[in-house]
Amino acid sequence: GESVGLHLPTLSVQEGDNSIINCAYSNSASDYFIWYKQESGKGPQFIIDIRSNMDKRQGQRVTVLLNKTVKHLSLQIAATQPGDSAVYFCAERGMEYGNKLVFGAGTILRVKS
Amino acid sequence: DAMVIQNPRYQVTQFGKPVTLSCSQTLNHNVMYWYQQKSSQAPKLLFHYYDKDFNNEADTPDNFQSRRPNTSFCFLDIRSPGLGDAAMYLCATSRDPQGHEQYFGPGTRLTVT
Repeated sequence: GESVGLHLPTLSVQEGDNSIINCAYSNSASDYFIWYKQESGKGPQFIIDIRSNMDKRQGQRVTVLLNKTVKHLSLQIAATQPGDSAVYFCAERGMEYGNKLVFGAGTILRVKS
Repeated sequence: DAMVIQNPRYQVTQFGKPVTLSCSQTLNHNVMYWYQQKSSQAPKLLFHYYDKDFNNEADTPDNFQSRRPNTSFCFLDIRSPGLGDAAMYLCATSRDPQGHEQYFGPGTRLTVT
């Protein structure tokens, strides 16, 4: 669904620690999910995606986990770096949304040096 | 590098004065999207073009129009900007209309005075 919150949840982590950003999605029939990273003043940047027939996918330093039973998506970032500080959005796609991407509310990640 | 380009990056317009934002892409993607993003919120889809087919979101105000003269370019026209239209406007492209990975431009920050 559409994000309406003005206060994004914030995750603060120490540089070098692992980060886990969570997302609860809306539609049990959604078949495709994406994580985007958005730095201040920039457009969203693709990080990683996953289809509903998978429950885990790994990229470089990132892992996405999908739990369809509870409609939960998470993004794990290994060895978090200051450059990872940004807002992270999950997005889902499904026929009920006309096959368009619907973005979640976003989470702010702050990395402390 | 192939990319999505938005001009200008910052635009100031007066209340009620028409303004046009532009987007171009070198990805040769079939679909181009316009999103509105307000502070601390997720991007909100305004409309998209699949080739020359225009697809408006049901809740997009009539004040917002779009043109796509060719594959590479897409314009967002705001006929009579109000103070509430101040936002970041993001252009994105994708290869197909099923909303798979979308590539975002850097955005245009619109200020209405």
